[in-house]
Amino acid sequence: NAGVTQTPKFRILKIGQSMTLQCTQDMNHNYMYWYRQDPGMGLKLIYYSVGAGITDKGEVPNGYNVSRSTTEDFPLRLELAAPSQTSVYFCASSYDRGYTEAFFGQGTRLTVV
Amino acid sequence: DAKTTQPTSMDCAEGRAANLPCNHSTISGNEYVYWYRQIHSQGPQYIIHGLKNNETNEMASLIITEDRKSSTLILPHATLRDTAVYYCIVRVANTDKLIFGTGTRLQVFP
Repeated sequence: NAGVTQTPKFRILKIGQSMTLQCTQDMNHNYMYWYRQDPGMGLKLIYYSVGAGITDKGEVPNGYNVSRSTTEDFPLRLELAAPSQTSVYFCASSYDRGYTEAFFGQGTRLTVV
Repeated sequence: DAKTTQPTSMDCAEGRAANLPCNHSTISGNEYVYWYRQIHSQGPQYIIHGLKNNETNEMASLIITEDRKSSTLILPHATLRDTAVYYCIVRVANTDKLIFGTGTRLQVFP
């Protein structure tokens, strides 16, 4: 199993540009999450999904959109990039709500200039 | 979810036990305690979780006080590779969110 795969690993965006961060998992997990981590800080939950077709906001959803059309994929969309969105983005998945561990990808480092 | 309080940083000598405390005084009866760690800038890694009984696995032990208001993660023989930020999280079993705090930065020195 590849686990949780994120692409790209690095990206530089100009202010106002859009992009999609890709996340895919091959563990047939129902739950998927997107986090951001600013330098020297902890992780903040952006959006999460409990299954295909179901998504919900986390702690810091403004400026982002998500969709979940399949169990495997959970892309994160930035529509109008701003410098405040410069961060490392982590995707994670877990089998169910709270009884099992969450598996994390290796992150996407995004810089908005 | 209950709020957790952890020390900002700790040091530990290589080969010694690392004891990382976590306060969760507002924890309720159905909330689990989880520990994750993040080595350098990698994605967080699950370590262990528990409800009320002490738990042990190949990585660590989790000691939860009888009143469940605090817990301690124990790495029995710390190595340099255990240098990381350790996050203590409490989570209601039937909620969907996994919320991280600021964690404890553990530095293991030779």
